[in-house]
Amino acid sequence: DAKTTQPNSMESNEEEPVHLPCNHSTISGTDYIHWYRQLPSQGPEYVIHGLTSNVNNRMASLAIAEDRKSSTLILHRATLRDAAVYYCINGGSEKLVFGKGTKLTVNP
Amino acid sequence: SAVISQKPSRDICQRGTSLTIQCQVDSQVTMMFWYRQQPGQSLTLIATANQGSEATYESGFVIDKFPISRPNLTFSTLTVSNMSPEDSSIYLCSVVGGTYEQYFGPGTRLTVT
Repeated sequence: DAKTTQPNSMESNEEEPVHLPCNHSTISGTDYIHWYRQLPSQGPEYVIHGLTSNVNNRMASLAIAEDRKSSTLILHRATLRDAAVYYCINGGSEKLVFGKGTKLTVNP
Repeated sequence: SAVISQKPSRDICQRGTSLTIQCQVDSQVTMMFWYRQQPGQSLTLIATANQGSEATYESGFVIDKFPISRPNLTFSTLTVSNMSPEDSSIYLCSVVGGTYEQYFGPGTRLTVT
């Protein structure tokens, strides 16, 4: 599976938008871009995934660069409950290869 | 979506012993996965458990150390054998949902003394 690069940590203020970047310059044409998050003391939770087009769901939006070498997870209005480690993963839906992720801190 | 439960939620074991972790899903699924998360680290896939066939192990993980059973489409077990302190980790199972998302259990926190 292709490797991804994410910042180790980011901070946001409550009720502000958050843009979490991910670089995946070696992504193959058939690899999906998945985002998961892991809240403290819990298993990972699916956030969103996409292939080429931007995607929206009730949790977040996923913006995918035209060349697919990078993507951005957008939380439109951060809450304290969004504090977690966010993982960007390339590949199929089965063998997820987790990197170190971005630890998001949300300040009240 | 799928709801996954794991037993036990945590355990403290002595080195040299074995622990079997159970994973129960509320719906029938073809593939189940077992992951390990060492302290302060990310998740690493141990193996894929398919019903009716041998589990498929990732590089660095072997059946003798982590035997897996998959007796039906809603249940799987992972055994951590001959444990050492290096096996202290959180062990998680997961399944794939209908549209590519994976659902994870809450994890089993294992401490080996």
